[in-house]
Amino acid sequence: SQTIHQWPATLVQPVGSPLSLECTVEGTSNPNLYWYRQAAGRGLQLLFYSVGIGQISSEVPQNLSASRPQDRQFILSSKKLLLSDSGFYLCAWSAILFVTGDTYGYTFGSGTRLTVV
Amino acid sequence: GIQVEQSPPDLILQEGANSTLRCNFSDSVNNLQWFHQNPWGQLINLFYIPSGTKQNGRLSATTVATERYSLLYISSSQTTDSGVYFCAVERSGPDRGSTLGRLYFGRGTQLTVWP
Repeated sequence: SQTIHQWPATLVQPVGSPLSLECTVEGTSNPNLYWYRQAAGRGLQLLFYSVGIGQISSEVPQNLSASRPQDRQFILSSKKLLLSDSGFYLCAWSAILFVTGDTYGYTFGSGTRLTVV
Repeated sequence: GIQVEQSPPDLILQEGANSTLRCNFSDSVNNLQWFHQNPWGQLINLFYIPSGTKQNGRLSATTVATERYSLLYISSSQTTDSGVYFCAVERSGPDRGSTLGRLYFGRGTQLTVWP
């Protein structure tokens, strides 16, 4: 079965420090991978998505970047954190059915709660 | 992008009550999912329901794609049902390739069930 791992669970970082959040998926190959952020007030905002190694699409301009060095690894980074980067970060994966092109298996990791102080 | 609106934004129930959550969307979709986010932040996929009706225990969902809405029914609610319920859709259409797999989320319904 497929599983998704995300770490760390919580993180407190000072303003200006770097960030690296990691997400890995097991049990599937060539998944679509996503990074979402959930700020206070509930809404989920898509930050990045990737359909393959080295292929990253950004949804909104920001202080963050993403990389996919391996098929099932997705990393969210920042060189210098801002206070506004605080939030709950969620990684997710999905697969695309080859025949129909339909998305299935949309599954979220357990999230990282980032507080920038 | 596609607009997704959920109602009500907040819902408070006593244990045992039934409820209906609504999701309206602004464009044709080929993927609609309902998620439950528990108090610890974990998002759990409840239903994949681009059309029709599905049931899973006390929960059921109906999507009427032609009228661009979906409903989530919770019967005999329990305190463990508390949390935020999200509706998310994936756009269909000839230009879908550029947004393949991208889910557009509503702002959710915060459900609180009291004992």
